[in-house]
Amino acid sequence: SQQGEEDPQALSIQEGENATMNCSYKTSINNLQWYRQNSGRGLVHLILIRSNEREKHSGRLRVTLDTSKKSSSLLITASRAADTASYFCATPNQAGTALIFGKGTTLSVSS
Amino acid sequence: EAQVTQNPRYLITVTGKKLTVTCSQNMNHEYMSWYRQDPGLGLRQIYYSMNVEVTDKGDVPEGYKVSRKEKRNFPLILESPSPNQTSLYFCASSSLGLADTYNEQFFGPGTRLTVL
Repeated sequence: SQQGEEDPQALSIQEGENATMNCSYKTSINNLQWYRQNSGRGLVHLILIRSNEREKHSGRLRVTLDTSKKSSSLLITASRAADTASYFCATPNQAGTALIFGKGTTLSVSS
Repeated sequence: EAQVTQNPRYLITVTGKKLTVTCSQNMNHEYMSWYRQDPGLGLRQIYYSMNVEVTDKGDVPEGYKVSRKEKRNFPLILESPSPNQTSLYFCASSSLGLADTYNEQFFGPGTRLTVL
């Protein structure tokens, strides 16, 4: 069952610009996670934000969480060509036995 | 280096020929899981294991088997593969149940399986 839904589905920007991706989810959560996947490769964990946190930073990444709106955003500042990838948000299911992933945002950064 | 490894990374096989995809983690994680990723469908969980000898079905378990005889290993078995099992498969592990507030999941590099 779908939990997270990312928006937009695809995003194309120039190097140096900021990229913002949004995620909406349906049920209450303990945490929300963002992952990156380079074309056809493994998923890399980027950041985890807990339900009692509103904002978290990691390098050029900034994640916000609004539990009242059941939404999160991922901001990548000063993007680089190497940031070209698909980005997924994921939340634990209610039983804590699986991560439920959205379908992802495909980011393309051109130099 | 903390990691999840999968083998093989690429596999082309024929319908009905039994195969096993191995998964191993070196982080002493209790929880392990298998996902498949398909275009337009995203990632879906096949099976998971909360600890040794404890496994359970995910969202799409049909046609798959798993076992968890050791903490570090969680092989995925396709007894009689069919073309609809052509997919990209990921193994993942985590130290605790995913509902834990602090927990992240570590993924293997993926196995691209083609069943002809």
